[in-house]
Amino acid sequence: GENVEQHPSTLSVQEGDSAVIKCTYSDSASNYFPWYKQELGKRPQLIIDIRSNVGEKKDQRIAVTLNKTAKHFSLHITETQPEDSAVYFCAASIQAGTALIFGKGTTLSVSS
Amino acid sequence: ETGVTQTPRHLVMGMTNKKSLKCEQHLGHNAMYWYKQSAKKPLELMFVYNFKEQTENNSVPSRFSPECPNSSHLFLHLHTLQPEDSALYLCASSGRTGRDEQFFGPGTRLTVL
Repeated sequence: GENVEQHPSTLSVQEGDSAVIKCTYSDSASNYFPWYKQELGKRPQLIIDIRSNVGEKKDQRIAVTLNKTAKHFSLHITETQPEDSAVYFCAASIQAGTALIFGKGTTLSVSS
Repeated sequence: ETGVTQTPRHLVMGMTNKKSLKCEQHLGHNAMYWYKQSAKKPLELMFVYNFKEQTENNSVPSRFSPECPNSSHLFLHLHTLQPEDSALYLCASSGRTGRDEQFFGPGTRLTVL
């Protein structure tokens, strides 16, 4: 089945810096790649997603890139703020409608 | 309440107890999921239901028994659990399995003594 690897497991940056989280997936048939943010004590919430027919997607300070050949995708956060501190999960879905498989998460800490 | 709700929010049970977790979604979705979230394996998929039919069982021990009476409700029946089953159990729903955003409930924090 699908396997999603996520790196790094922890990431500490200064306010205003950029943060990059990378994920790789194993099944070339995967075609949907969302990113979820989970703040402490709260439920995971979708922040951005990308489908396999698109190479890059941007939403204000957040962007996701996808390299289908290499089977990896990345989350980019620019001008980080303390409220960006959270655990971020990447995920992938296998074609034919199975559930999302999540990476193990990255704990992002933004210090002011 | 809108979105995905879960009850109870906290549960403490002994290893010989039987309890059930409940999830309800008010979004008109067709797919519902159970995830286990622990420090060792964050967001570990347990079960998937599509239109009330179970479509995935991710090698979950039989002491966890899911039930989906309709597309809006999902239960997780628990019996003879082990202390290592202590975790946050998250329910989620989506319009189409794996293709649309999954909306998560607030979770049930389970402690097995």
